[in-house]
Amino acid sequence: KQEVTQIPAALSVPEGENLVLNCSFTDSAIYNLQWFRQDPGKGLTSLLLIQSSQREQTSGRLNASLDKSSGRSTLYIAASQPGDSATYLCAPSSGTYKYIFGTGTRLKVLA
Amino acid sequence: NAGVTQTPKFQVLKTGQSMTLQCAQDMNHNSMYWYRQDPGMGLRLIYYSASEGTTDKGEVPNGYNVSRLNKREFSLRLESAAPSQTSVYFCASVWDRASGYTFGSGTRLTVV
Repeated sequence: KQEVTQIPAALSVPEGENLVLNCSFTDSAIYNLQWFRQDPGKGLTSLLLIQSSQREQTSGRLNASLDKSSGRSTLYIAASQPGDSATYLCAPSSGTYKYIFGTGTRLKVLA
Repeated sequence: NAGVTQTPKFQVLKTGQSMTLQCAQDMNHNSMYWYRQDPGMGLRLIYYSASEGTTDKGEVPNGYNVSRLNKREFSLRLESAAPSQTSVYFCASVWDRASGYTFGSGTRLTVV
């Protein structure tokens, strides 16, 4: 059974810092991995989708890496801003297109 | 706008009442999913439909039923609501194995 762990559970940083959010998963037989952002009381917004054959994906200030063999992914946020404050969720997919979610990293960027 | 639409957005039920949560997508996606999100528990898969005409149980199916009405619509039914089913429910869809999820905006359900 796939289990997903995200570390840290919460993070508070001053504006401008570069951040690394970590995700680990127990079953390396994944098709891809998706990173999401969730604002309080809102739905999930897809940030990056990284295929199992890829090592990384980039979108603006965000960069996600994937080490499938070791069961790890990291989300790098460059030059953090208060608008980046949200919960970030990692979800590897395996089996019948099913995504399994971690409990997230709650990020607060202070102005 | 293309996407996943969930109705209703909010609902309060009394214990024992029944209701159906609706989900529709207009992206011609093949697979659809229902998750629930509880504080500290993350998102947990309730049921999914890999393709039109098929449904399967996820991690927490007890107390729920689903119907894949057609390719666009996937509904979740609570036959006899319990306070433990108080949660935020999300529907998601995906085109194929190489694609990522698209989520609806959620239904916040309270059972009193």
